[in-house]
This record gives sequence, structure tokens and C-alpha cells, in this order.
Amino acid sequence: IAGITQAPTSQILAAGRRMTLRCTQDMRHNAMYWYRQDLGLGLRLIHYSNTAGTTGKGEVPDGYSVSRANTDDFPLTLASAVPSQTSVYFCASSDTGTGQETQYFGPGTRLLVL
Amino acid sequence: GQNIDQPTEMTATEGAIVQINCTYQTSGFNGLFWYQQHAGEAPTFLSYNVLDGLEEKGRFSSFLSRSKGYSYLLLKELQMKDSASYLCAVIDSNYQLIWGAGTKLIIKP
Repeated sequence: IAGITQAPTSQILAAGRRMTLRCTQDMRHNAMYWYRQDLGLGLRLIHYSNTAGTTGKGEVPDGYSVSRANTDDFPLTLASAVPSQTSVYFCASSDTGTGQETQYFGPGTRLLVL
Repeated sequence: GQNIDQPTEMTATEGAIVQINCTYQTSGFNGLFWYQQHAGEAPTFLSYNVLDGLEEKGRFSSFLSRSKGYSYLLLKELQMKDSASYLCAVIDSNYQLIWGAGTKLIIKP
């Protein structure tokens, strides 16, 4: 693999169900991010991780959790999905997480919660 | 609050020039990015400005005025493949990226 991969590509989920979105990068980047993108709104940061073993909350963390057990993987979990979590979810990574560097994005996961 | 303003949509003609503006009010400033996002795809990096002035990269240029809280992306010799959304993002004083909602650019033949 090259870059960032996300799985699944799309998903329809019943409200109340648990769901984990997967993200893997092979660039050995220290920092990883989860965003959601909704029509008419900018990308909003859900959670981030500046290095393996650490995570932080972004702008809209409620209802989501993350873990960073190693450098490559950064899964996002919806413990009990609600319709307002219908969105396109993008995972991204950057070299060091200092902020002044390019972020590289995965292809996204389109999630519909009914 | 922090705010980034971009036009929602713009239309231009193939071969022409278009300027996409971005104004920002953020708690501090540590740089500004432009990303391109084709429909249904991921954003990809276009440019980064941290000092005032114009950065040119092929058909694309990006300008920054920190005193005015203003940037623009200039696209020359427009091609149909330039039809996409263009996202402006500012790094604030906490080194967090604040994203604009994006400008959808429609290119007509």
C-alpha cells in the first residue's frame, strides 16, 4: 500500500450500532487525524494523535473515540451511532504534527446512519 | 470565534483565469494552506503561505496579506480538470488547522 487507506469505503448503519472506521498509513508519519466533512461546512477535526500512544480531542469529539496503538493505525469508533453522525469521514496524516506541514488524506468513508 | 470565509461557488470558462478569495479571522496566524478536492475524493495539497506575497507554482499561484487577513488562489489557463472544490485552511495560534467550507469551481467549455 502507498499513502493512507481507509475502510470501509461506505457503510449504512442502524442507529445505536457500534462501528469502527479503519485507517492505516505507510508513510511512517507521527501525526494522524480524523475529520468529518458535511455539506456547507469545513472539515471538522474529531480527534488527533501526535505520536503513537497519545491522542487528543478536536473540535467535535463527542460520540467518537480513537486509539493509537502503533504508528500506522488510527481507528475511529462510534460507540452508539446516531443519525447526526451521517457524514464523510477522512483520515489524514502528517510528518510531525507541528501544524505547519502538509496533511495527506485517505479516500474517505461515507457513513449513513439510519 | 474563528472564521474563514470563501465564496460558495464560482463559474469560469476553460482557458480563462479565476481568483478564489479567502478571508480569515482567527486567534493568531501561523500559516495558510490551499487544498484541492475533486468531487467524491480526498483533499490534496496545493500551496502553503506563511509570509506576505505571492507564491507561484505552475498554473496556480497563492497570495497572502497577513495584515488584511486575506488570501487568494489564482488559477490560470483553466482546464476542465480544474473543476473541483478549493479549500482554504489557516493555522491558528495553537497550531490547529481551521478549515473554510470550500469554494466549488465550475469550469465551462
